[in-house]
Amino acid sequence: KNEVEQSPQNLTAQEGEFITINCSYSVGISALHWLQQHPGGGIVSLFMLSSGKKKHGRLIATINIQEKHSSLHITASHPRDSAVYICAVRPLSGSARQLTFGSGTQLTVLP
Amino acid sequence: DVKVTQSSRYLVKRTGEKVFLECVQDMDHENMFWYRQDPGLGLRLIYFSYDVKMKEKGDIPEGYSVSREKKERFSLILESASTNQTSMYLCASSSTGRTSTEAFFGQGTRLTVV
Repeated sequence: KNEVEQSPQNLTAQEGEFITINCSYSVGISALHWLQQHPGGGIVSLFMLSSGKKKHGRLIATINIQEKHSSLHITASHPRDSAVYICAVRPLSGSARQLTFGSGTQLTVLP
Repeated sequence: DVKVTQSSRYLVKRTGEKVFLECVQDMDHENMFWYRQDPGLGLRLIYFSYDVKMKEKGDIPEGYSVSREKKERFSLILESASTNQTSMYLCASSSTGRTSTEAFFGQGTRLTVV
């Protein structure tokens, strides 16, 4: 069983739609990361959360520590948002330096 | 502008060749990581290093070794490349702090072993 589960695996939306990607995890964590990977491979860190909510432009990330769940929202989606979005957690147990990754959500925003 | 730089974007190597993937970071980070990424499997940790000359195995170290002779550089070595090592390889770095810290990733190296 994966420690980090993302849903959906694939998501296609029309430009302008509100998008939600979900992440559930099964272990205690010190932080959760949302990452973005564009075609070509490079990964960019969007958010690092340990509680509550963060907002950057059209992106909003929330986390509920008690429910072990996080969501990434994109408002007014645009074709340039098309990418793979990856949730990763830093577990409390084991090596605090390591991240455990979800398998990613492929988002395609159509014009 | 912080950076993690991988030496190649694309590599094609023959089965049995020794392959070096290089990663350099300019943020004076203690921790460096090598991952491979395969469709449906996500990122899997191969090796990581938390200090110069220190290394620890990740989840899938078989067939790989690493070297960290300088703080800024972390090399992944495929001693004898095989076709099942065809993959996207990603390097990352992070600092060690009392609270959880952000990870920074390189642009990835897509390795094809023929």
